[in-house]
Amino acid sequence: DGGITQSPKYLFRKEGQNVTLSCEQNLNHDAMYWYRQDPGQGLRLIYYSQIVNDFQKGDIAEGYSVSREKKESFPLTVTSAQKNPTAFYLCASSNQAGGPNEQFFGPGTRLTVL
Amino acid sequence: SQQGEEDPQALSIQEGENATMNCSYKTSINNLQWYRQNSGRGLVHLILIRSNEREKHSGRLRVTLDTSKKSSSLLITASRAADTASYFCATVLNAGNMLTFGGGTRLMVKP
Repeated sequence: DGGITQSPKYLFRKEGQNVTLSCEQNLNHDAMYWYRQDPGQGLRLIYYSQIVNDFQKGDIAEGYSVSREKKESFPLTVTSAQKNPTAFYLCASSNQAGGPNEQFFGPGTRLTVL
Repeated sequence: SQQGEEDPQALSIQEGENATMNCSYKTSINNLQWYRQNSGRGLVHLILIRSNEREKHSGRLRVTLDTSKKSSSLLITASRAADTASYFCATVLNAGNMLTFGGGTRLMVKP
């Protein structure tokens, strides 16, 4: 089965702790993205990567960090500097060949800070 | 700031009726995409319409794009209870390839 997976589905964190969310895809897509979604809202872009070993800040990158060491993987770390991290986090990937195309989304990770 | 804004924010209809959702945006686009999200799930791509296209169909879905008015509409015909979800438009600007999402329309289809 081709697809994009995220783990864990639910994550609880104490204030002051860093936490890493996993995102893996086997679609052979070059581009990967992280979004944040707050209740009743649309998605906001945190970070994106168009190629291995390169990534760019999105609209709300403060308090987050990413790495792209492998094409298949794009983990997101929510650091203690993120002031309001409780949210639903969505990872996506896309094939950029021929121009901007549809994005394929994972099932999401719901992060709650206790 | 969000590039796309959906209207209405919420819509409740009876099964069998048509549902129309609108999306307005601010700057020139390469393409506009519609996505669906069931509660607590990831997004599923529905349709992509390019700036040189005016209308596209996919099953019971019809999307129109009016670049002069910077607006798009998504029509779901003969709605079903299973169509209950949030629907988002997302734009890709000419200057880049990132998606910018609107706030979504929450559709409820009553059986």
